Amino acid sequence: DADVTQTPRNRITKTGKRIMLECSQTKGHDRMYWYRQDPGLGLRLIYYSFDVKDINKGEISDGYSVSRQAQAKFSLSLESAIPNQTALYFCATSDPGQGYGYTFGSGTRLTVV
Amino acid sequence: QKEVEQNSGPLSVPEGAIASLNCTYSDRGSQSFFWYRQYSGKSPELIMSIYSNGDKEDGRFTAQLNKASQYVSLLIRDSQPSDSATYLCAVTGHSNSGYALNFGKGTSLLVTP
Repeated sequence: DADVTQTPRNRITKTGKRIMLECSQTKGHDRMYWYRQDPGLGLRLIYYSFDVKDINKGEISDGYSVSRQAQAKFSLSLESAIPNQTALYFCATSDPGQGYGYTFGSGTRLTVV
Repeated sequence: QKEVEQNSGPLSVPEGAIASLNCTYSDRGSQSFFWYRQYSGKSPELIMSIYSNGDKEDGRFTAQLNKASQYVSLLIRDSQPSDSATYLCAVTGHSNSGYALNFGKGTSLLVTP
C-alpha cells in the first residue's frame, strides 16, 4: 500500500455540487498538506494541518474547507464547486526530522463542468 | 508571497550530457531546499534535499546551494531519456507558515537519444 493514499483518483462533478477529496497516510507524520496544481501556475498551498486541532489556511483557501479526522486522515471539501477549481489536487505529509520534505499522494484529478 | 523562480524550459540535452537546472528564491530565512521530479500526470517524487551551502551528491545527481546568492541548482550527469520530466524546486517558508514548502513552477527537461 502507498504511504499516502488519495481518493478518488479522478472525479468529474457539476458546478454547485459539494465534493470531498480524501487523504490517508501510514507514515505517522503529524503534518499534512493540500495543494492544487494548475498548468503554468505550479503547486499552490490550500490548507495545512499540524495535528487534529491545528488547521491553517494556505494562500488559496477560499472556496475550500478541510477536516482532520485523525492523525492519519485529512480531507478537503469544495463546498460549491466551480469550473476554475478544475485542477490536479495533491495531499502530502512531512516529517520535521527529515527537513520538512514531503511525501505526496498520487493525486486527484478533479474536473468541474 | 515568498517566491521561487525557475526557468520553465524546455531544457533539451542529448543523452549522456550534463543537465543543469537552476532555481532562485526570495526568502532569506529559508532553511531547507528540495528538488522533486514529476512525470506528466504523476505526483512529485523527492530526488534531492540540501540544507547547507555547498554541494551534495547522490548518484548521478548533485545539488548545489548558495544561500548568500539565494540560489540552488541541480546537476544531472549522464542524462538518460528516462530523466525527461519536470523538475520542481521547493523551499521551506518561515515558521509562521509552518515551514510549508513553496514551489517553483518547474523546469521541463527533455533528454534526446
